[in-house]
Amino acid sequence: QVQLQESGPGLVKPSQTLSLICTVSGGSINSGDYYWNWIRQHPGKGLEWIGYIYYSGSTYYNPSLKSRVTISIDTSKNQFSLILSSVTAADTAVYYCARDNGWGCPDNWGQGTLVTVSS
Amino acid sequence: QPALTQPASVSGSPGQSITISCTGTSSDVGGYNYVSWYQQFPGKAPQLMIYDVSYRPSGVSNRFSGSKSGNTASLTISGLQAEDEADYYCSSYKTSTNVVFGGGTKLTVL
Repeated sequence: QVQLQESGPGLVKPSQTLSLICTVSGGSINSGDYYWNWIRQHPGKGLEWIGYIYYSGSTYYNPSLKSRVTISIDTSKNQFSLILSSVTAADTAVYYCARDNGWGCPDNWGQGTLVTVSS
Repeated sequence: QPALTQPASVSGSPGQSITISCTGTSSDVGGYNYVSWYQQFPGKAPQLMIYDVSYRPSGVSNRFSGSKSGNTASLTISGLQAEDEADYYCSSYKTSTNVVFGGGTKLTVL
């Protein structure tokens, strides 16, 4: 059973950079069958897709966040990462990593990690 | 503003059936048969309940069913149980943003 687990700082200062890692266990991130996504949920709100990366390194980002987002992959560690620059309080959210089949259907999610942007 | 429109809340009594709607456009819900539904409990990650409009992943109760007509998808839960009380989100594939989500619907079992 494939499992995903987010890790990273829970508190980031305004204007700084948010960095998270998603570790995939129980399966290879290199399989080519899936796309590896970051999705966030603002407190008490709905879900927002941030972007995804394929095992080859190709990426696709939400146009509304594209200028601040970088997603990378480390197949040797079975991990992929999120970097979000110049954060503000509006970036406070629970961040999830998730796997999807390439047709916009995340079927396997990490437990999520709350990131708070505050000085 | 969520890309897909869902009612903020629905409610029903145990044993009844409820339906949650999800309205999009021809660029997402209406254009592809890639609508999914998720159940989310407080403090937990969303769990996939329906994919490709009407298919259930292994382990999901057959009380959950999905359908689509035009730009509106629907999730029906039959034989409502107390354990179904949760937030439900729809999603759809969209070429410009891979996936778009609804704003979520809070289901209350009376």
